[in-house]
This record gives sequence, C-alpha cells and structure tokens, in this order.
Amino acid sequence: QVQLVESGGGLVKPGGSLRLSCAASGFTFSDYYMSWIRQAPGKGLEWVSYITSSGSAVYYADSVRGRFTISRDNAENSLYLQINSLRAEDTAVYYCARDPVVFDYWGQGTVVTVSS
Amino acid sequence: QSVLTQPPSVSAAPGQKVTISCSGSSSNIGNNYVSWYQQLPGTAPKLLIYENNERPSGIPDRFSGSKSGTSATLGITGLQTGDEADYYCTTWDSSLSVVFGGGTKLTVL
Repeated sequence: QVQLVESGGGLVKPGGSLRLSCAASGFTFSDYYMSWIRQAPGKGLEWVSYITSSGSAVYYADSVRGRFTISRDNAENSLYLQINSLRAEDTAVYYCARDPVVFDYWGQGTVVTVSS
Repeated sequence: QSVLTQPPSVSAAPGQKVTISCSGSSSNIGNNYVSWYQQLPGTAPKLLIYENNERPSGIPDRFSGSKSGTSATLGITGLQTGDEADYYCTTWDSSLSVVFGGGTKLTVL
C-alpha cells in the first residue's frame, strides 16, 4: 500500500535551517509529481511546493520562494525540502503528499518549530 | 486570508444533511477542478472528492461534490458523529500555485 513517511523536523532557532525528508513506498515514485503542504498550529492548510516526476520543474508558494528548495531522489524513492532562513511563521506540521493538485496520499507529517 | 472562501463552521444533527461552500474566482475554481479533504482531529488530511464530484475508492456516497461557476459545494448526507472534522477545498490557481480554502469545522450536534 502507498506509504509516505516524513522525518527531519525539530526545534530550530530563527535564521536556522532544516532538511525535511519524505520516504515513499508502495508505488512507482518516479512516475508521480510530489508536494509539500504545511499547517501552522490551529490554522488551515497551506500549499508550499511541488516538483515534477523527473525533478525538472519546481513550483513554490510566494511565502517560501527563495528560502525553501524542493528536490527528489528517484533512485532512493525520497522527496526533500530544504528550509533556510527560518522564521517564527514557518512553525508548522509539514506534510508530503502525492500529486501536485489532487493530494491522494499524505504522510503523517513532521513538526517544525522555530523559536529562540 | 485564504484565496478560497469557506464558512468557518457548520453544524447539523446526526442523520441530517449539510453543505459546505467554497467560493473562488475565474483564476482558480472557475477554470479548474476542485478537490475536498477531510481532516479528523490530530490526523493528516484525507482526500474526499476530486475533479469536482469524483470519489476515491472507499469514500462512501454520503459525500458528494459539485461546482458551478466560481463556487464549489461539498455535501454530506446521513451525518454521523465520526464526520466531525475540518473540511478543506482546494484547486489550482492561474498564479501557478495551489490554493486552499480556510477550512470549515463540522460539528454534528
């Protein structure tokens, strides 16, 4: 069955960096676009980024463009999100999801907390 | 402020029907398919409806979707206490981004 497992979250100081990972299994990873979506505490869902199946094209929300970088390793069935210059407003649960618009499978999320 | 507008909350009694609206514009809902997600407390969202009115396998036909112009609607019939959750609409926007509604909290009284 399809599984997406995120990791890499944690507590980081403002201005710091983290690399989130999403391990995929149960489907042909290299056939699918993949996405990151986040949810701040007590708030709604916010789309962050998506990457095409080959990794040749990427798209970002305005709120993260220039600070976040999405990438993938199809040989390792893994999706990544490098997050730099972290701000308090980046505190959220970060989910990886399959597909760029119809998110048919989601991981359980990884928590990123930005605080001094 | 979300690009797509949903009511913050709706409520209805068990067994009744409820609808949740999602309002957008010609740059998003008006020219793209809408999806709906259910997020139970403390869990990841789950796809309920895609391409305006299609249900993934395993989603009961109590859940339905529709779209007209720049608005979309999620309908839930035969409400159950287990349906208490947050519901989100989403679609593609011509600004080359995915947009979500602010979410609607469903309470089954």
